[in-house]
Amino acid sequence: NAGVTQTPKFQVLKTGQSMTLQCAQDMNHEYMSWYRQDPGMGLRLIHYSVGAGITDQGEVPNGYNVSRSTTEDFPLRLLSAAPSQTSVYFCASASESINEKLFFGSGTQLSVL
Amino acid sequence: EDQVTQSPEALRLQEGESSSLNCSYTVSGLRGLFWYRQDPGKGPEFLFTLYSAGEEKEKERLKATLTKKESFLHITAPKPEDSATYLCAVQAWGGGSQGNLIFGKGTKLSVKP
Repeated sequence: NAGVTQTPKFQVLKTGQSMTLQCAQDMNHEYMSWYRQDPGMGLRLIHYSVGAGITDQGEVPNGYNVSRSTTEDFPLRLLSAAPSQTSVYFCASASESINEKLFFGSGTQLSVL
Repeated sequence: EDQVTQSPEALRLQEGESSSLNCSYTVSGLRGLFWYRQDPGKGPEFLFTLYSAGEEKEKERLKATLTKKESFLHITAPKPEDSATYLCAVQAWGGGSQGNLIFGKGTKLSVKP
């Protein structure tokens, strides 16, 4: 049972490039979400999904897109990377839409130059 | 505005020296308060959920308590392996994005042998 798997673990982009951060879970969880974690700040919610085909914005959605075509996968797309998107990104899932207990992936460290 | 404040930002303890971490919160209606542990380079790991004032939960050397305005994470006779960043988060009642977690900035605990 792998839990929540994020790839890649590290990524360096140039300003303006696009990329997709991958997230997959094997726990049949309905709720999935993306957070970013910056030094001196708490985890901030980017986007979340309460089931396949359903997504919504969190606190800091600008510059990011998501889709949820299957229960297992929840990719995060950076449309045109900016230095302000340099951060550590975490994907998390939970068994219910009220996300009482989140299971986190190990994170993707992204640097935008 | 819903808010979570953790103190202190950093705490250094000697092995065996008990102490407490604080999480104060303002939320329109508290559905749950969560404690997570985060080790360097890893995603947060769930510790406890508290739902109502007066509730307490324990796990090994950790005990979490909840009042109407704050929560404490008590660490009894800590060991070096308890060194980590401890995150507090609250969940408010309500649908949509209101059900998502709001995280504090965390307390970084270091326990020296």
